Amino acid sequence: DAKTTQPTSMDCAEGRAANLPCNHSTISGNEYVYWYRQIHSQGPQYIIHGLKNNETNEMASLIITEDRKSSTLILPHATLRDTAVYYCIALLNNNAGNMLTFGGGTRLMVKP
Amino acid sequence: KAGVTQTPRYLIKTRGQQVTLSCSPISGHRSVSWYQQTPGQGLQFLFEYFSETQRNKGNFPGRFSGRQFSNSRSEMNVSTLELGDSALYLCASSVTGTWTEAFFGQGTRLTVV
Repeated sequence: DAKTTQPTSMDCAEGRAANLPCNHSTISGNEYVYWYRQIHSQGPQYIIHGLKNNETNEMASLIITEDRKSSTLILPHATLRDTAVYYCIALLNNNAGNMLTFGGGTRLMVKP
Repeated sequence: KAGVTQTPRYLIKTRGQQVTLSCSPISGHRSVSWYQQTPGQGLQFLFEYFSETQRNKGNFPGRFSGRQFSNSRSEMNVSTLELGDSALYLCASSVTGTWTEAFFGQGTRLTVV
């Protein structure tokens, strides 16, 4: 699975969009980009995933660059409850065994 | 539908003891993975079970073991506990283990004293 690089921490004002970048310059053509988040003392929560097209769901949007070397997770209207560590992971969709490898993630602090 | 359930939520054990943690996956999910999370090492993969068979194993000593039952519930066991085993132990379930979004439980917080 490709290595990902994320900023250690970010701040965002409540109600504003939070844009979390992720670099995955060694990603291969059949590796997906997944995003999870972990709120303090809870298990990680799936947010969104994509291959090359931009994706949107009720939680967030995922923008993947055309060369697929980086992506951005967008929380359109951040709330205090979005304060968490966000993990970007690149892996094969048929990676049998759910062998997730989480890096350090980005600690997002949403401030009032 | 019910989520992934881990029991107990909190546990305190003494060094040298052994401990068993339980994970009940979402109904219909046959894959269960276990992870250890510590402040220093982050989230690390322990092992994954599918249909009662261990398919993948992380880089942990043999003191860490697991099993899965026919109803897909899984247990992990840690023998001869060490202080460094203090961690949040998380399990995740998915339908087949091939990659879809994994659903995590709340975790078991183990403290070894």
